[in-house]
Amino acid sequence: AQSVTQLGSHVSVSEGALVLLRCNYSSSVPPYLFWYVQYPNQGLQLLLKYTTGATLVKGINGFEAEFKKSETSFHLTKPSAHMSDAAEYFCAVSDLGGNEKLTFGTGTRLTIIP
Amino acid sequence: SAVISQKPSRDICQRGTSLTIQCQVDSQVTMMFWYRQQPGQSLTLIATANQGSEATYESGFVIDKFPISRPNLTFSTLTVSNMSPEDSSIYLCSVDRTGDNYGYTFGSGTRLTVV
Repeated sequence: AQSVTQLGSHVSVSEGALVLLRCNYSSSVPPYLFWYVQYPNQGLQLLLKYTTGATLVKGINGFEAEFKKSETSFHLTKPSAHMSDAAEYFCAVSDLGGNEKLTFGTGTRLTIIP
Repeated sequence: SAVISQKPSRDICQRGTSLTIQCQVDSQVTMMFWYRQQPGQSLTLIATANQGSEATYESGFVIDKFPISRPNLTFSTLTVSNMSPEDSSIYLCSVDRTGDNYGYTFGSGTRLTVV
């Protein structure tokens, strides 16, 4: 069974600063990994995903994540935070990919300080 | 990618009653997933709905409480039965592979308050 650990339930960064949200996973098979964002009172929006191939994945809104198998990590980064990035971020893992459920981390609430 | 229409977007219900949530997808999908997001929490999978067969429920969720229908490849419903205040949550449906751009798509959710 797979699991996801997100370190830090709350992260605050200044506008323009680096955003780093941490995600570690556990999976018995090669994982498919996802980052989702949830803005207040809205559903989940896919930021980016890793399935196979290049380990550095670029997503929407300037976010990217790197799959590091040796560290079982899939941390989310953005070079320069914007006020509009304030939201809840969820890391998720899927075994096998396709027709399989997603297992979510507990989420990280990102606050941007003006 | 698939577009999901989820209804209702929110509701306030009396305890002891039931609410049926609908999820309509604009393309055929093999599997649909129903999640619950309790206040301030992450998402927890309730069940997986495969067209033409019984839904598969996760530990802690039972069919009598959360009956699911999946009559065709574009539609599913989740019923929250005999509701109590503890059922107050956001309920979301999700679908698998969305064309070549593989990824899971979520509906906008149903915000349920039980009073």
